[in-house]
Formats: sequence, C-alpha cells, structure tokens
Amino acid sequence: DTEVTQTPKHLVMGMTNKKSLKCEQHMGHRAMYWYKQKAKKPPELMFVYSYEKLSINESVPSRFSPECPNSSLLNLHLHALQPEDSALYLCASTQPGTNQPQHFGDGTRLSIL
Amino acid sequence: KNQVEQSPQSLIILEGKNCTLQCNYTVSPFSNLRWYKQDTGRGPVSLTIMTFSENTKSNGRYTATLDADTKQSSLHITASQLSDSASYICVVSPIGTGFQKLVFGTGTRLLVSP
Repeated sequence: DTEVTQTPKHLVMGMTNKKSLKCEQHMGHRAMYWYKQKAKKPPELMFVYSYEKLSINESVPSRFSPECPNSSLLNLHLHALQPEDSALYLCASTQPGTNQPQHFGDGTRLSIL
Repeated sequence: KNQVEQSPQSLIILEGKNCTLQCNYTVSPFSNLRWYKQDTGRGPVSLTIMTFSENTKSNGRYTATLDADTKQSSLHITASQLSDSASYICVVSPIGTGFQKLVFGTGTRLLVSP
C-alpha cells in the first residue's frame, strides 16, 4: 500500500466536463507535486506546492488548475480537456530541505473522450 | 542541458539470473541520485538514494553504484524474480532546484521470464 492516496483510480470524461483529481498524504510532508505520465515515458512535472503555496508551474495549460487546501491535500481541477491530455496523473510528496525521496501515489488513469 | 540517459531501453532475463542497468547523467552539480521501480499501472517506488559522496547503496537484492567522476550509476539486481518485472527509473536531483525539480531518466523496462 502506498502512503500517498489518489482518487479516483480511473476517470473517463468528455471534453466539456469538469472533474477533479484528489491526492492525500499523512506523512507530514510539506511539498506536494503533480506529474503527468504518458505510456513508456518518465513522469513530467506539472506543479509543485511548498508549504501550501504554489512554487512551480511548468507552463501547464490553464485547463489544469491545482489547489492545495491544506498540508495533507492536493487537488487538480480539470476543465475542457483535450484528447492528448489522456495520461496517468501522479501525485507525490516529500519533506523540503531533506534528501528524502519523493513518495508517489498510484495515480489516476485519465481518459478523455 | 540536464539530462539522464538509461540503457538498455528494455531487457529480458530468465528468472534467477542477475542483471545490471545503466544510467548516465549530465546533471552537475547534484545533491543525490535515486533509483525508482515502477510496476505497470502503479506509481514509482524508491529503491535507493545516494548522495554525490556515496559510491554504493544496497536494498535487499538491489545494489546501486555511483561514479561521480564519470557521471555514471548502475543498478544491479541479484537472483531476479518474476516480481522484478517493471520499469526502473534513474532520477537526479540538481543542486539549486533542491527538492522541487528532479531530472528523470528515460527508464529501462525489465521483463523477468520464467
């Protein structure tokens, strides 16, 4: 079992839908991440939150909107996605200022119709 | 440009055999190098993490080595098991970006055959 929990595990949505991905961790980590991973490719960084503040946005289209309501939760709000946005979306967390590895969730498999 | 290249791209070995995966990086300076295992449909799981001053780190049947002079790392798997079938990703953490931006390798897909 992973210590970073992501829901839902699978999501199918149309291009006009609005949905949200959720991520939760209870390890006391103060840095949380969203990654996008296409098949047979390494994860690509999308957003980083540090101490609940957005610190990195890797030029992600505005149809992806992150939110960090508190130190344990991370959301990714989706709206008007494109078919090329279909991918595995991974959440990760770590403690800033340490050499701890990032702990990843098992991801949400997103399919855009 | 910071890059991490891995070889081979894919590998098939028989159960019980050993194998070695390679990682070459241009990231410099860096604070640590990590190896992750990613099972199909799952998130990556950390196997080892080495600072720039460490040469080797073991985790059960997994042993990672680091040569900071040649900018190479390897992951050796001993007595492979079917459950070792996965993608193995080498990840380097540059100094400066700290915990925020990691440089991911291209991955090696390992299949352990019975």
